[in-house]
Amino acid sequence: EAQVTQNPRYLITVTGKKLTVTCSQNMNHEYMSWYRQDPGLGLRQIYYSMNVEVTDKGDVPEGYKVSRKEKRNFPLILESPSPNQTSLYFCASSGRPYNSPLHFGNGTRLTVT
Amino acid sequence: GENVEQHPSTLSVQEGDSAVIKCTYSDSASNYFPWYKQELGKRPQLIIDIRSNVGEKKDQRIAVTLNKTAKHFSLHITETQPEDSAVYFCAASKNTGNQFYFGTGTSLTVIP
Repeated sequence: EAQVTQNPRYLITVTGKKLTVTCSQNMNHEYMSWYRQDPGLGLRQIYYSMNVEVTDKGDVPEGYKVSRKEKRNFPLILESPSPNQTSLYFCASSGRPYNSPLHFGNGTRLTVT
Repeated sequence: GENVEQHPSTLSVQEGDSAVIKCTYSDSASNYFPWYKQELGKRPQLIIDIRSNVGEKKDQRIAVTLNKTAKHFSLHITETQPEDSAVYFCAASKNTGNQFYFGTGTSLTVIP
């Protein structure tokens, strides 16, 4: 089944404790991206990647890192999480960089205390 | 960069009535406009999309219209059903730069 898989689904952590949210897709998609979803703000892009070893900042990249060492994986790294990073996170992929539908993962609800 | 505005933020309709959600965009270079439906606790899923060379597209009870001159596009849902209750997001995309800019979402409630 074609899908985007995120893990974990739920994560509660404390301020400053490094964490990684994994994202993997099995559709051989070149394009992958991370979004955060907050009430009243919709979906805001954090980082995106056009292909392996190619990443770029989205609209809200501060406090996040990503890597794209393999085509299928695009982990999101929070080196020193803070409470304002408490949010719902979605990974997404698409077959082409432009004008192509996004396929979303199931989301990761992160709480930073 | 692109700015996508979406209205209304909440919408309640009686079952069987129509629902219309409107979005405007600022970048005339945007040429792809998808709509996503997000049910409670679930991921956004594409329900319909339209490209700038088309003015209207329909898929059963769902339709999208695009006015490039006015830079706005709308989602129309006819004969609404309770299972249409969800949050709907519009988005705009173009051939360069970041892929998508999303609207802030519309929470649709269909009252049985």
